[in-house]
Amino acid sequence: EIVMTQSPATLSVSPGERATLSCRASQSVSSNLAWYQQKPGQAPRLLIYAASTRATGIPARFSGSGSGTEFTLTISSLQSEDFAVYYCQQYNNWPPLTFGGGTKVEIK
Amino acid sequence: EVQLVESGGGLVQPGGSLRLSCAASGFTFSSFWMSWVRQAPGKGLEWVANIKQDGSEKYYVDSVKGRFTISRDNAKKSLYLQMNSLRAEDTAVYYCARALDYIGYWGQGTLVTVSS
Repeated sequence: EIVMTQSPATLSVSPGERATLSCRASQSVSSNLAWYQQKPGQAPRLLIYAASTRATGIPARFSGSGSGTEFTLTISSLQSEDFAVYYCQQYNNWPPLTFGGGTKVEIK
Repeated sequence: EVQLVESGGGLVQPGGSLRLSCAASGFTFSSFWMSWVRQAPGKGLEWVANIKQDGSEKYYVDSVKGRFTISRDNAKKSLYLQMNSLRAEDTAVYYCARALDYIGYWGQGTLVTVSS
């Protein structure tokens, strides 16, 4: 099973600032990595797939990068609606599909 | 518009059974792999199972193998999760998802609570 590790667990950022979230895989997942955003009481929403492709309707301030075992989600200028929990997920080797533990982006 | 609507959650005693359903609309259900993903209260996401378009392939996370069964009825555009021998650690919101790999569409979730 591929273990996904996200850091930091919590990120405190001021509105308008840049946020950088990390995700590491225990072995290479190529570019088969997705990022999701989840707000309280809501289902997750797909942001990025194939490590760097934005899903339909996702603003350009969200960008993904990386391949192999190291990945990054960058939010270039945080808006109030971006404060949420973010998860990475690998789909290179399954079953099982595996998620990281999440990074909570909170208001500083 | 793709819609996934789960039902069937509730309170069940340890060792009991529950069957979750997911009604799909807005896409050709029979053309897509489908999945169940769960989230324990205050915790992260955990993939539970998925099923091929015709039901011929099914995969499960180790912790539910032998206890949970995923199935589908393409004529009814519905996905199911039969959960037997439930444990306290199965307490979670269960999401229906249209997915083989990354998950583009999620339902709103149904809460399953296993407690005496």
